[in-house]
Amino acid sequence: AQSVTQLGSHVSVSEGALVLLRCNYSSSVPPYLFWYVQYPNQGLQLLLKYTTGATLVKGINGFEAEFKKSETSFHLTKPSAHMSDAAEYFCAVSKRNRDDKIIFGKGTRLHILP
Amino acid sequence: GAVVSQHPSWVICKSGTSVKIECRSLDFQATTMFWYRQFPKQSLMLMATSNEGSKATYEQGVEKDKFLINHASLTLSTLTVTSAHPEDSSFYICSCPGQGDQPQHFGDGTRLSIL
Repeated sequence: AQSVTQLGSHVSVSEGALVLLRCNYSSSVPPYLFWYVQYPNQGLQLLLKYTTGATLVKGINGFEAEFKKSETSFHLTKPSAHMSDAAEYFCAVSKRNRDDKIIFGKGTRLHILP
Repeated sequence: GAVVSQHPSWVICKSGTSVKIECRSLDFQATTMFWYRQFPKQSLMLMATSNEGSKATYEQGVEKDKFLINHASLTLSTLTVTSAHPEDSSFYICSCPGQGDQPQHFGDGTRLSIL
């Protein structure tokens, strides 16, 4: 079975500081990995995905994530936080099959301090 | 533009009412669709996988007689919450598989409030 673990249900960073949201996955087969963002009372927005190829993936809004197989990690980073980054972030995993279900982590609420 | 249309976006109704939520794939066919539920301040939990022309596959702990899923065409899946009660109040989101290596496309969700 596949699963993801997000370390820290709440993360607070100062505006302009580095954002680091941690995600570790468990999968018996090479997975697809995703980061989604959800703003209050809204649906999901895909930030970035890893399927194949380069392990450092760049996404929207200045976010990026690195797939590290040896550490089974897919941490999300952004060099400089903006107030608009305050939201809920979900790491997710699926099998390498576009028809397969996506399993979400519990989410991390990112707070940006002025 | 949106590739998955979910309707309605918000429903408020009395306890005991049955509520139907529609999920449509736009400009493409989807033999499989997924239904998720998200309680306040929690993650998305997969409820069931909707399969066109056959029975849905429900996740463990999800009552199939409570949450009726119909996938009668290649572009439409419906989720009916039967005899809804306040504990069914939640955010329901559908998704369709992407094309090629594209990830799933999610609908904008339906917020269901049962009074």
